[in-house]
Amino acid sequence: GENVEQHPSTLSVQEGDSAVIKCTYSDSASNYFPWYKQELGKRPQLIIDIRSNVGEKKDQRIAVTLNKTAKHFSLHITETQPEDSAVYFCAASRYSTLTFGKGTMLLVSP
Amino acid sequence: DVKVTQSSRYLVKRTGEKVFLECVQDMDHENMFWYRQDPGLGLRLIYFSYDVKMKEKGDIPEGYSVSREKKERFSLILESASTNQTSMYLCASRAPNTEAFFGQGTRLTVV
Repeated sequence: GENVEQHPSTLSVQEGDSAVIKCTYSDSASNYFPWYKQELGKRPQLIIDIRSNVGEKKDQRIAVTLNKTAKHFSLHITETQPEDSAVYFCAASRYSTLTFGKGTMLLVSP
Repeated sequence: DVKVTQSSRYLVKRTGEKVFLECVQDMDHENMFWYRQDPGLGLRLIYFSYDVKMKEKGDIPEGYSVSREKKERFSLILESASTNQTSMYLCASRAPNTEAFFGQGTRLTVV
């Protein structure tokens, strides 16, 4: 089955800095890669996703890049704000399956 | 508005009890999932279902079973609850290869 590795497990940045979270996947047939944000005590919610026919996608301060050859994808957050503090999960999907990484706790200090 | 609803937010059960966790979605999604969330271990897949009466084991199915008799409802069953099943349980649903929507989670404590 699919295996998703996510790094780092914890990331501390100062407000205004950029943050990068990296994931690798094992199943070359995976073709959909979502990123979820989970705030304390809340359910995970999608913040951005990318499909295998696209190399990069941006939404305001958030961007995701995908390298299919190397089987890795990354989340980039620019101009971080304290409200970006949360746990972020990457995932890889092939039709019905959906496998998550172990999560990254992002702490943004004012 | 999209809704995935889990039957309980908090649950306390005794060791050896049979426990039912219910999840209902109103989006006519084919795929439904049960995950277990523990600190440092992320979201681990217990079971998923890709259609009514169809199920597939995930990464940690031992000690659990599932039931999907109707498209909108996916139940997780702990046949004989044990203390190591104390955890947060999250249900999710989605159409294939699209965004997954999560329920609010059930915090289960087995004493």
